[in-house]
Amino acid sequence: GDSVTQMEGPVTLSEEAFLTINCTYTATGYPSLFWYVQYPGEGLQLLLKATKADDKGSNKGFEATYRKETTSFHLEKGSVQVSDSAVYFCALKDGGTSYGKLTFGQGTILTVHP
Amino acid sequence: DSGVTQTPKHLITATGQRVTLRCSPRSGDLSVYWYQQSLDQGLQFLIQYYNGEERAKGNILERFSAQQFPDLHSELNLSSLELGDSALYFCASSVEAGKETQYFGPGTRLLVL
Repeated sequence: GDSVTQMEGPVTLSEEAFLTINCTYTATGYPSLFWYVQYPGEGLQLLLKATKADDKGSNKGFEATYRKETTSFHLEKGSVQVSDSAVYFCALKDGGTSYGKLTFGQGTILTVHP
Repeated sequence: DSGVTQTPKHLITATGQRVTLRCSPRSGDLSVYWYQQSLDQGLQFLIQYYNGEERAKGNILERFSAQQFPDLHSELNLSSLELGDSALYFCASSVEAGKETQYFGPGTRLLVL
């Protein structure tokens, strides 16, 4: 079945550092890929998405490129801020069916210190 | 604010009891999804409804059931509760049931004592 694997956390960075959170997936067909962010005490918010190979999703300085050849969708940001501290989830939606269920990775906790 | 509302925000109950979680999707969204977030299982898909009909089932226990009403709100019923059912339950909605983005509600935190 479908699966998503994220890098082990937690990740602790200083403000303005470069961020990479690795995400790889296993899926049949051509899934859509997503990054969701969960701030403390809140629900999940869509951060960015990509629906086909080589697409780049971007939002709020975060970027991720859909790499079919390496089945990856790594999240990057050039300069993190304290306000980026949150839990980040990589997810996929199987493109082979009309059903919309999301399969999530285990989440990566990011803490950014001033 | 995603536009998806969930009530109640917190729920504390005892083992063996039954509870109902409620979700109102974003205006115009026909599809509703339920997810469970727990420390040991992570975020898992439970069930999906589209325009009142069940569309897909995930790792949902037989003690759990859901429905979507004509006004498109949805309820998740959890019965014979066990300690292990303590979790954060999210509802999400999307326009249709395919590749569209899902928007998540703030969740209901259930604690079973």
